[in-house]
Amino acid sequence: DQQVKQNSPSLSVQEGRISILNCDYTNSMFDYFLWYKKYPAEGPTFLISISSIKDKNEDGRFTVFLNKSAKHLSLHIVPSQPGDSAVYFCAASGNSGGSNYKLTFGKGTLLTVNP
Amino acid sequence: NAGVTQTPKFQVLKTGQSMTLQCAQDMNHNSMYWYRQDPGMGLRLIYYSASEGTTDKGEVPNGYNVSRLNKREFSLRLESAAPSQTSVYFCAGKGNTEAFFGQGTRLTVV
Repeated sequence: DQQVKQNSPSLSVQEGRISILNCDYTNSMFDYFLWYKKYPAEGPTFLISISSIKDKNEDGRFTVFLNKSAKHLSLHIVPSQPGDSAVYFCAASGNSGGSNYKLTFGKGTLLTVNP
Repeated sequence: NAGVTQTPKFQVLKTGQSMTLQCAQDMNHNSMYWYRQDPGMGLRLIYYSASEGTTDKGEVPNGYNVSRLNKREFSLRLESAAPSQTSVYFCAGKGNTEAFFGQGTRLTVV
C-alpha cells in the first residue's frame, strides 16, 4: 500500500516556464513533507520542506504548497532552468519530522526542462 | 566534511555470495537508514536505526541484515545475494528534519 504517491512519472517543460510537480499521501499521521532532487549517479539531495502547520513555503525559485484536507502537496519551480532536469522525490514523515522518524518516499517524477 | 560516505561505489556479486555495504556519517545524526532504488519503484526503506544500539525493519527487509556499529556507522549485509537484490543502495543520516544521503552503491548480482 503506497502511502506517498507521485502519479506522474515524467514531466517536460520549456525553459523559463513553471514546473509543477504533484504528490498525494494517504497516511493522516504524516505532518512533515519534503522534496528531494536526484541527478543520475548521485544521491538524493534535500530541496525544500514544509510542516503541516503551514500551507506554503518558499525558497528562491522553489515553492511547496500543502493542502491538508486533500492530502496533497505540490512543488512549483519558477522559472524552470535546464539544470533543474532531474528526478524529484516527494517524502513524508510523522512526529513533526523528528530525528527518529523515518521518511517514506514516492516513486519520483522525472522533470525535463528543454532549452 | 564528507557528510555520508558509502563504500564501495560499485560491486558485482555472484548469486549466493555475501557482502557488506558500509556507511559512515560525520554529522552526529542519531538516525540512519538504508534505502534501495529500483526503476519505477522510488526509494524503499530496507532497515533503519533510530539510535545507536537499535535497528528496525523497513518496507523491504527480507534478505538483508544490518549492524549499527556505533553512532557513525551503519552497515548493510547480504548473506546470500540474489539477482532480485540488484539495485542501487543509499544510506542516509537524519537530523531533526531532513535526511542526508550518500552517493550510493550500485550492486549487480549475476
